[in-house]
Amino acid sequence: ETGVTQTPRHLVMGMTNKKSLKCEQHLGHNAMYWYKQSAKKPLELMFVYNFKEQTENNSVPSRFSPECPNSSHLFLHLHTLQPEDSALYLCASTTSQGNRNEKLFFGSGTQLSVL
Amino acid sequence: DQQVKQNSPSLSVQEGRISILNCDYTNSMFDYFLWYKKYPAEGPTFLISISSIKDKNEDGRFTVFLNKSAKHLSLHIVPSQPGDSAVYFCAASALISGYALNFGKGTSLLVTP
Repeated sequence: ETGVTQTPRHLVMGMTNKKSLKCEQHLGHNAMYWYKQSAKKPLELMFVYNFKEQTENNSVPSRFSPECPNSSHLFLHLHTLQPEDSALYLCASTTSQGNRNEKLFFGSGTQLSVL
Repeated sequence: DQQVKQNSPSLSVQEGRISILNCDYTNSMFDYFLWYKKYPAEGPTFLISISSIKDKNEDGRFTVFLNKSAKHLSLHIVPSQPGDSAVYFCAASALISGYALNFGKGTSLLVTP
């Protein structure tokens, strides 16, 4: 248990569905991240929230919509996804963004399949 | 454009021998490097890091070497154990980009008994 919990672990959705991924961290961190891991590709940073403010949006399509209501919770709202969005979505947290020696703590991820 | 490259998708090593995982980078602004380890159905976990002011960092069986002139780093695991079988990700960061991590694609290590 890394202290970062993601739900659901697996999600299958159609292209017209709307779903949300949830991440919760119990580590007292102030920065939270969404990463995408597609098959045979590096982990791609999607969004960063630092003290509940979005500090980075890495050119992510608008069909992905993040929400950070507080420092412990992070959501990724999904709508009208494409099959190529099928991937492992990883949440991570750290004490605060921008510190060299900070290590990211990752959740186990949500394996998303878009049909 | 991929700035961190792990050119070996997989590696198989016998238990007790040395495992060497390689990583190359292209961005000369990177000044902090990390290795993460990932088991199936789990998220990556931090393993070891090295700052660009050093050329070696050791933690138990794990040693990371950094060659700045070649823009190359490697992770040595000695001796390798079956429990080390996992995917290893190299990551790099730079002050100029707020230390956002750039990851490689990963190398899958299999340690056989």
